[in-house]
Order: sequence, then structure tokens, then C-alpha cells
Amino acid sequence: EVQLVESGGGLVQPGSSLKLSCVASGFTFSSYNMHWIRQAPKKGLEWIALIYYDSDNKYYADSVKGRFTISRDNSKNTLYLEMNSLRSEDTAMYYCAKSYYGFFDYWGQGVMVTVSS
Amino acid sequence: EIVLTQSPTTMAASPGEKVTITCRANSSVSYMHWYQQKPGASPKPWIYDTSKLASGVPNRFSGSGSGTSYSLTISSMETEDTATYYCQQWSNNSYTFGAGTKLELK
Repeated sequence: EVQLVESGGGLVQPGSSLKLSCVASGFTFSSYNMHWIRQAPKKGLEWIALIYYDSDNKYYADSVKGRFTISRDNSKNTLYLEMNSLRSEDTAMYYCAKSYYGFFDYWGQGVMVTVSS
Repeated sequence: EIVLTQSPTTMAASPGEKVTITCRANSSVSYMHWYQQKPGASPKPWIYDTSKLASGVPNRFSGSGSGTSYSLTISSMETEDTATYYCQQWSNNSYTFGAGTKLELK
């Protein structure tokens, strides 16, 4: 059974940093591209970052480019999202997701990040 | 960036009623994918590659479309179908979602 379990969320002040983790199991993690997708409270879904299976390529939404960094450790079956210079508009539920071609076929349960003073 | 516009934003349907949700792109896309989300839960994969049902999705659901216009159809609305549905496309390592259609029971 595929499982994606996020952790690392919490309440932080504007301008601070936070690192999210997503531990994967039930599939060959090192063979698949992985993503972070977020959802602000009562809002829609926003894709924010992609990392290829081998970490050779990374892509970001304009809203987080230069502030967020996606990475992975295939030896630990873990995906990361390092978030710097956090803003109130980054407040959201953050999901990690596995993709099969362009389709997100498995999602984690999400982790909440709240940016507030 | 490809922008996806879903319509309607909100709708209500009676049990047994046929439901159609539309997703239009501002440029042609090869495929459209759909997700179902219920309050407090993660999105669930629902329809992929425009018309293929994800595992466990009832066959009263179907997807169709091409180019810039796609749709999700429920042949006969059931109570359990109340949810928000999102369309999503992928092109050139960029992914976008529609704003969602909230489907309620009338």
C-alpha cells in the first residue's frame, strides 16, 4: 500500500524558515517524480514544486521560486521542502504527491503551515 | 502558464440527476485530470488522461474532451458524490489546477 506521510508543519512568524518532510512507502520511491502541492484555507489547489526521480531537475511555481527548495533523499525514501522568507500568503495545508506522468496518483494527508505574528 | 477555468463554481443536483462540470483551458492541452475532495480530506485521484477512471471510482462518472474543453459527467447523482472537483493539466513541467466546482445535494 502506498503511503505518503508529511511532517514538520507548524506556526511560524513572517520571515522565518521551516522544513517539511514526506516519508514514502509502498512503492519504489527512487523511480518516481515527486511534488509539493498546497491549499490555502478555503481555497483551491496550487502546485508549487517538482523534483525528478534522480534529483537532476527541479521546477517551481513563480509564487515560491527563490524562497522554497525541493529536495529528496532516495536512500531514506524522503521528500523535503525547505521554505525560507515565509509570508502570510504561504499559510496553507501542504501535500506531497507522487506523479505518474502528469497525474498525481497518490497524495499524503497534508501538513499545516501557518505564518502569523 | 495555462489557466484552467471551471464552471460552474457551485452547483446543486438532486439524486438521480445528470451532472456535468466543465473545465476550459486558455491553450490546448493534451490531457485533463480530475480530483475529488471532501471537507477535511486530501484530494483523491478521480479521472486521469481525460477519460480513465481511477481505482475505485464508480462507473457513473465519466470524463471527456480535447483541446481546450473538457468535462466530468455524473450520469446519475448520488449523495456520496457531494464534494469539490478540481481539474488539472500538465505541460512543460508546469502544473495548474482549476479553481474547483463545489457539488452539493439538492
